[in-house]
Amino acid sequence: SQTIHQWPATLVQPVGSPLSLECTVEGTSNPNLYWYRQAAGRGLQLLFYSVGIGQISSEVPQNLSASRPQDRQFILSSKKLLLSDSGFYLCAWAEGPLLAKDEQYFGPGTRLTVT
Amino acid sequence: EDKVVQSPLSLVVHEGDTVTLNCSYEVTNFRSLLWYKQEKKAPTFLFMLTSSGIEKKSGRLSSILDKKELFSILNITATQTGDSAIYLCAVRRTSGTYKYIFGTGTRLKVLA
Repeated sequence: SQTIHQWPATLVQPVGSPLSLECTVEGTSNPNLYWYRQAAGRGLQLLFYSVGIGQISSEVPQNLSASRPQDRQFILSSKKLLLSDSGFYLCAWAEGPLLAKDEQYFGPGTRLTVT
Repeated sequence: EDKVVQSPLSLVVHEGDTVTLNCSYEVTNFRSLLWYKQEKKAPTFLFMLTSSGIEKKSGRLSSILDKKELFSILNITATQTGDSAIYLCAVRRTSGTYKYIFGTGTRLKVLA
């Protein structure tokens, strides 16, 4: 069965510091991968998605970036965090388009507080 | 611009009540609509709907899609305190685009 891992679970970082959040998926190949941010108690904002190694689509202009160095690894980064980057970050995967399944599955999330 | 709107934003009920959560959408090239339940951390998948008028059911939860009127409802009967969560609705467009458009969510609180 498929499993998605995210770490760290919680993070407190000062303004201006760098960020690296990692997500890995097990048990599937060539997944579509996604990064979302969720403000307190609200819906999900899509930040980035990737349909293959090195292929990143950005949805929201901001000081965040994403990379996919391996098929099942997705990384969210920032060179300098802002207070507004605080939130709950969720990684998700869905089967690639050829498999035509629509269900999307989420990792446990990282709660980021920028101080 | 594609959008998904959920209502109400929040809801407080007592155990045993029945609730109906709404999700309306304006999305080009609709493919599927998904419902999720989010308690403390990761959203968990509940239902996926692609065809109008076919009810999906799991225990006390059920959902139906109306593609003509562009909405879906999620019903929860005989609510329990464990149903307290944020319920999220998302729409996926036809293959060729890989994004999911999420609504703002409905926060449900069930009181004992």
